[in-house]
Amino acid sequence: GAVVSQHPSRVICKSGTSVKIECRSLDFQATTMFWYRQFPKQSLMLMATSNEGSKATYEQGVEKDKFLINHASLTLSTLTVTSAHPEDSSFYICSALGLAVGEEQFFGPGTRLTVL
Amino acid sequence: AQSVAQPEDQVNVAEGNPLTVKCTYSVSGNPYLFWYVQYPNRGLQFLLKYITGDNLVKGSYGFEAEFNKSQTSFHLKKPSALVSDSALYFCAVRDQGKLVFGAGTILRVKS
Repeated sequence: GAVVSQHPSRVICKSGTSVKIECRSLDFQATTMFWYRQFPKQSLMLMATSNEGSKATYEQGVEKDKFLINHASLTLSTLTVTSAHPEDSSFYICSALGLAVGEEQFFGPGTRLTVL
Repeated sequence: AQSVAQPEDQVNVAEGNPLTVKCTYSVSGNPYLFWYVQYPNRGLQFLLKYITGDNLVKGSYGFEAEFNKSQTSFHLKKPSALVSDSALYFCAVRDQGKLVFGAGTILRVKS
């Protein structure tokens, strides 16, 4: 199946700093990428949808100025958590959808963010 | 809006016994339904999907799911559970291009 990678897998940062998480589709072109957030023992919450070359669409309640999403190419999307605070600590998962790989989303392995 | 419900927080089953993880859906029109599995600190792995066609869908790792329109259900099943099947399972439905997930069900298979 299609492979999606995320980098870094874990990051610890100080409060007030910004953190960038990369999501790459390794063997297919992702026309659409999704960013999710998952709290311990909870379901995935969709944060935003990004299409290559256009602005991301954020879900209600997600601050677009805090969670900056860039989908500059068909294989790369980035999520930047700006001025991170402890409450931003979470597991962030991306997924990618490509026309060549059918109807399913392929998920990255996730990034564990801990803000001290 | 489309939604799915997973009525069980946790399912316990003995190794070798059949397992069922329940999912019901609420959609308008034809549903696109999915099952994913998540191991600790990992992303989601696709198991199977129902788009159209046969109501019994076979997927990865010996899992299958039955689409039941009259009961609006899409339960995940496996004839013989393995300890390694222990994980968190999510049912999902596609809604306007986005996946909407259920709350998840923890499956524990004991030897």
